[in-house]
Amino acid sequence: KAGVTQTPRYLIKTRGQQVTLSCSPISGHRSVSWYQQTPGQGLQFLFEYFSETQRNKGNFPGRFSGRQFSNSRSEMNVSTLELGDSALYLCASSPGEWDSQPQHFGDGTRLSIL
Amino acid sequence: SQKIEQNSEALNIQEGKTATLTCNYTNYSPAYLQWYRQDPGRGPVFLLLIRENEKEKRKERLKVTFDTTLKQSLFHITASQPADSATYLCALPFSGGYNKLIFGAGTRLAVHP
Repeated sequence: KAGVTQTPRYLIKTRGQQVTLSCSPISGHRSVSWYQQTPGQGLQFLFEYFSETQRNKGNFPGRFSGRQFSNSRSEMNVSTLELGDSALYLCASSPGEWDSQPQHFGDGTRLSIL
Repeated sequence: SQKIEQNSEALNIQEGKTATLTCNYTNYSPAYLQWYRQDPGRGPVFLLLIRENEKEKRKERLKVTFDTTLKQSLFHITASQPADSATYLCALPFSGGYNKLIFGAGTRLAVHP
């Protein structure tokens, strides 16, 4: 089975721009979660989608949004980029029908804001 | 609010020894706890899950304990190898949220030959 695929792997943007990151989950997985990882804050939960519906949300501003498509692929969008948005953005998938299932992570998109 | 603490200092051990990593949490009682391994530039990889009614879980050279009274989990790697060098993260579920995990900062383990 192919793992979780995130594209692009690296991205450089400037302040004020917007960006869209993509995540393809493991085949058959219906839950996709997004996390932000920075040296100072570690891994922080952004949001989780299950069957095209946002089921959980973390404590991030509204500039961070996401969506999930009928094939379970997910995108995350960040608008009006700030320097502090520089981070590794990770997505994780799981079957999703119940809690406690292991999360399968992709290798992330490294976003740098200049 | 829910909080997880892992030893932020790197743990250096000799090959063949047992590595023991600690995860402490406060302010709630999670139904389960997970451990992940992360290598530089890669996403975390799931290792083990232990539920609140389980005291201990094993998988090959890995062992996890869960003490709900102490609010602590210990993660052991026996007969450690240089290939075990990585950052190890513990994760607990946010109360009331499916697949919504709060992660510790991680402990970096270095196993020296």
